[in-house]
Amino acid sequence: GESVGLHLPTLSVQEGDNSIINCAYSNSASDYFIWYKQESGKGPQFIIDIRSNMDKRQGQRVTVLLNKTVKHLSLQIAATQPGDSAVYFCAENANTGNQFYFGTGTSLTVIP
Amino acid sequence: NAGVTQTPKFQVLKTGQSMTLQCAQDMNHNSMYWYRQDPGMGLRLIYYSASEGTTDKGEVPNGYNVSRLNKREFSLRLESAAPSQTSVYFCASSQSRTLNTEAFFGQGTRLTVV
Repeated sequence: GESVGLHLPTLSVQEGDNSIINCAYSNSASDYFIWYKQESGKGPQFIIDIRSNMDKRQGQRVTVLLNKTVKHLSLQIAATQPGDSAVYFCAENANTGNQFYFGTGTSLTVIP
Repeated sequence: NAGVTQTPKFQVLKTGQSMTLQCAQDMNHNSMYWYRQDPGMGLRLIYYSASEGTTDKGEVPNGYNVSRLNKREFSLRLESAAPSQTSVYFCASSQSRTLNTEAFFGQGTRLTVV
C-alpha cells in the first residue's frame, strides 16, 4: 500500500516558539490531507485539513502547507503552548481510494 | 454530545478467546471505521463501513470480522484472539460515504492478548 512518513519522530520546542512538523507522502493521487493531534490515552483529534487544489490553509494558530511537487505536507503551530504537547499525525486519502493512510506520528514536547 | 463511544476501554484476553468491541456514534454519520494502533506506528485501517449495510476490508483485516448493526453502531469481533492482536483499537466515524472528510475518533480500547 501507499505510505505516509514523517521526517522527525520527536520535536521539542520552547513555549512561545513556533513549531513545524513535516510529513512526506508517496501517493501522487492523494488529494485530501488531514492533521490529527493525539494526546496520551486519547483518540486522535482533528486539527486541520487541506485539499489538493490548495497549497496553504490557516486555522487558529495552525497553518498547513502542501507542496504537491515534492509530495510534502507541513503543520505549523504558532506560539506553541504546553497544551500542544501531543503526537501529531498526518493522513492522506486518494479520492479514488477507500481509506486514509496515517503516518507514524511526531511527538511534540513543549518546554515551559 | 457523546460523539463516538467505544466499549470496553480495557480488555485482557487469553489466546484463542473471542470478544466483540462495540462502537456507537450519535452524529448521524454515514461512514464508520475500525483502526488499530501499535507502538511507534500510525493507525492502520482494519475494516470500514461506507454506509449502513455495507462493510469493506481495510489494510489489515485478517483475524477480524465486523458488523454494521445499524447507522449508529459498528462492532469489531475477534473470533480467536492472538498475541499479535494486542493493540489499541479505535473506532471512528465520518459524514461522507466517500471517506474524503474528517473522521471523529473514540477514546480507544486497549486490548492485551496473553
